Amino acid sequence: KNEVEQSPQNLTAQEGEFITINCSYSVGISALHWLQQHPGGGIVSLFMLSSGKKKHGRLIATINIQEKHSSLHITASHPRDSAVYICAVGTNDYKLSFGAGTTVTVRA
Amino acid sequence: KAGVTQTPRYLIKTRGQQVTLSCSPISGHRSVSWYQQTPGQGLQFLFEYFSETQRNKGNFPGRFSGRQFSNSRSEMNVSTLELGDSALYLCASRARGNEKLFFGSGTQLSVL
Repeated sequence: KNEVEQSPQNLTAQEGEFITINCSYSVGISALHWLQQHPGGGIVSLFMLSSGKKKHGRLIATINIQEKHSSLHITASHPRDSAVYICAVGTNDYKLSFGAGTTVTVRA
Repeated sequence: KAGVTQTPRYLIKTRGQQVTLSCSPISGHRSVSWYQQTPGQGLQFLFEYFSETQRNKGNFPGRFSGRQFSNSRSEMNVSTLELGDSALYLCASRARGNEKLFFGSGTQLSVL
């Protein structure tokens, strides 16, 4: 079993819809990262969080340490949000473990 | 501030050869980590370096090695290349420990 599980694997939304991606992990972590990767593009770090909630523009990330669960929300989705979103957990020994990614497609 | 720079961008090698990839972190960042990305396995952690010391290594064979120089630039080396080593190799830098990661554009390695 992978240390980091993401769901759904794929997601298609209409422009303007609210999107949620979930991430569950099984190890003790020092921080959780949400990453974005566009086709053929590099990886951009969206959030790094170890507790609570963070917001940046239309993106919101939450984490529940007790339940070992995090969610990434995209409000008012737009076609430019189409990308692969990857959850990664960092441990105290500086290792990073990754989820398989969620491919998000937003249709105009 | 310049971003994380990886060279070369593309590389084609044949089985049995060795390869060296380079990563220059953001100025002032002392931590550099390396990752392998393949369609089948996704992203996997290779190594993490801080101030020239390897702090952790992922579950990869000894053919994969790396180092970090005093200016924080890092290299990774893969010896005796196998077809399965074909992948996008990414590096990331951060200032110290548990902070936001900044990724390079990666080196696409093809082993023929």
